[in-house]
Amino acid sequence: AQTVTQSQPEMSVQEAETVTLSCTYDTSENNYYLFWYKQPPSRQMILVIRQEAYKQQNATENRFSVNFQKAAKSFSLKISDSQLGDTAMYFCARPDSGAGSYQLTFGKGTKLSVIP
Amino acid sequence: NAGVMQNPRHLVRRRGQEARLRCSPMKGHSHVYWYRQLPEEGLKFMVYLQKENIIDESGMPKERFSAEFPKEGPSILRIQQVVRGDSAAYFCASSPPGQSLREGQYFGPGTRLTVT
Repeated sequence: AQTVTQSQPEMSVQEAETVTLSCTYDTSENNYYLFWYKQPPSRQMILVIRQEAYKQQNATENRFSVNFQKAAKSFSLKISDSQLGDTAMYFCARPDSGAGSYQLTFGKGTKLSVIP
Repeated sequence: NAGVMQNPRHLVRRRGQEARLRCSPMKGHSHVYWYRQLPEEGLKFMVYLQKENIIDESGMPKERFSAEFPKEGPSILRIQQVVRGDSAAYFCASSPPGQSLREGQYFGPGTRLTVT
């Protein structure tokens, strides 16, 4: 079965500090996409950042960036200058391998708390 | 441009009743996906639909669950004879044709179903 593993169930960070959330996955493909979603207390799923595996450059979106290590199948999310509004569950996701590849497989999530 | 809309946001049903969850995709999106989130878990794929077609329902329980996406109107996820184990958050996502992998999927706010 396709797996996405988030090894940190919970993390906390002081406001304005930097935090890194880890994610590993398995795949037999060479070209694929990876995503980080944020789920705040409102429970809305919000796409934070995406990475295309064939691109060597790590994706960045404002205070959010990834460290993509293709050989290690690692896709960590770095949040810089953490803000109180970053408090949320964060899910790593990737499309399943195979024809179609439209099913997203999610990790179990990391609960991030930003402490004032 | 309105996002993915789901209603109701909260739904309470007694055991044995039917639950109908509705999803209107983003404007211009013709692909709809339903996911279920159990407590403390990531989202799990249920079904993928295009207008008037079920493309993949491999994640749907074999009994009591059905989904449709008619030519006109929202997509409907229907659960007949609900049981306590159906209590979960049900998320709908949409994507434009052919871009699911690259753009990710855009999620609605979810419907929280509680079976009493």
